Amino acid sequence: AQSVAQPEDQVNVAEGNPLTVKCTYSVSGNPYLFWYVQYPNRGLQFLLKYITGDNLVKGSYGFEAEFNKSQTSFHLKKPSALVSDSALYFCAVRDIGRDDKIIFGKGTRLHILP
Amino acid sequence: ETGVTQSPTHLIKTRGQQVTLRCSSQSGHNTVSWYQQALGQGPQFIFQYYREEENGRGNFPPRFSGLQFPNYSSELNVNALELDDSALYLCASSLPSESGNTIYFGEGSWLTVV
Repeated sequence: AQSVAQPEDQVNVAEGNPLTVKCTYSVSGNPYLFWYVQYPNRGLQFLLKYITGDNLVKGSYGFEAEFNKSQTSFHLKKPSALVSDSALYFCAVRDIGRDDKIIFGKGTRLHILP
Repeated sequence: ETGVTQSPTHLIKTRGQQVTLRCSSQSGHNTVSWYQQALGQGPQFIFQYYREEENGRGNFPPRFSGLQFPNYSSELNVNALELDDSALYLCASSLPSESGNTIYFGEGSWLTVV
């Protein structure tokens, strides 16, 4: 079965510093990986996805993610954090099968300190 | 804006009652799925509809049911509400068949069961 793990419940970063939100995955076959962000009392917003191709994927709001097959990781990164980046981030994997549902990690709360 | 709209945004129901939540998918998307996000958790897959047929279901009891209409809009119905059904219910739409397609989420419906 497909799964993702987000080992950190919370990440604190000073504004202007680079940020990383970690995600590891377990899949059979080719991974289809996603990052979503959730602001307080809002739905999920799509940030980026990895399907195939370049290991560095660029997404919305200056975010990028690095796919690492040998480490089975898909960490979310941003070179310079903004206070407005503070939110809940979910890593997710597409469960390839009859319904292709999305399986989410438990989420990582990102706090950007001014 | 994802183009996925949900209603109502908030509602309060009493244990044992029934509730219907509605979703309009993004234009051109004929696949709609529903997710439940309990407080402090990642979203959990409930079921998915494609061309008005359920084609995948998560680990939810039969009192969770759904419909998809010819215009691809969808409803989620929950009977005999329980306190643990209190959650954010997210509707998502996507193009069919290709697992690399992005799933876009609405803002959700907040259900409180008292």
